Amino acid sequence: KAGVTQTPRYLIKTRGQQVTLSCSPISGHRSVSWYQQTPGQGLQFLFEYFSETQRNKGNFPGRFSGRQFSNSRSEMNVSTLELGDSALYLCASSADRGTYEQYFGPGTRLTVT
Amino acid sequence: AQSVTQLDSQVPVFEEAPVELRCNYSSSVSVYLFWYVQYPNQGLQLLLKYLSGSTLVKGINGFEAEFNKSQTSFHLRKPSVHISDTAEYFCAVISANFGNEKLTFGTGTRLTIIP
Repeated sequence: KAGVTQTPRYLIKTRGQQVTLSCSPISGHRSVSWYQQTPGQGLQFLFEYFSETQRNKGNFPGRFSGRQFSNSRSEMNVSTLELGDSALYLCASSADRGTYEQYFGPGTRLTVT
Repeated sequence: AQSVTQLDSQVPVFEEAPVELRCNYSSSVSVYLFWYVQYPNQGLQLLLKYLSGSTLVKGINGFEAEFNKSQTSFHLRKPSVHISDTAEYFCAVISANFGNEKLTFGTGTRLTIIP
């Protein structure tokens, strides 16, 4: 089975722009979670989607949003980028509720200049 | 709410020596516990997890961890490390409330193996 894929792997954007990151979960997985990783704040939970519905949300401003499609692929969007949004964005998928085993993709490294 | 503390930000160890990476957690509800490893420029890989049952959990790459409820700890151990174990290790918890898959991570421990 192919693993979790994330595109693009690297991205450079300018302050004020918006960005969309994509995540394709492992085939058959219905839950997708997003995390932000920075040297200062570490790994922080953004949100989780299950069957196209947002099930959990972390403490991030409304500029961060996401969605999940019927094929379980997910996108996250960050609007009005700030320098502090520079981070590695990780996507993780899991098979179903209660498996508690998340498989992570390689991440998208976003640099905001 | 829960939190995870990894007391050591960096741990240098000689090759073939044993290692223990410490993890303590705090939570008002029952939790499930995990250790993840992150190699340079990669995502996270699950090493092992504790959901229930035996408190000694064996994972991949020769790692094991012991859940200690009274001390709220979940320390990771390996009896003999290899150069390839050089990576960052993250302890994480999930609330045991069904349907909540949000992982709360510690700040990580960078394991460096000295040849």
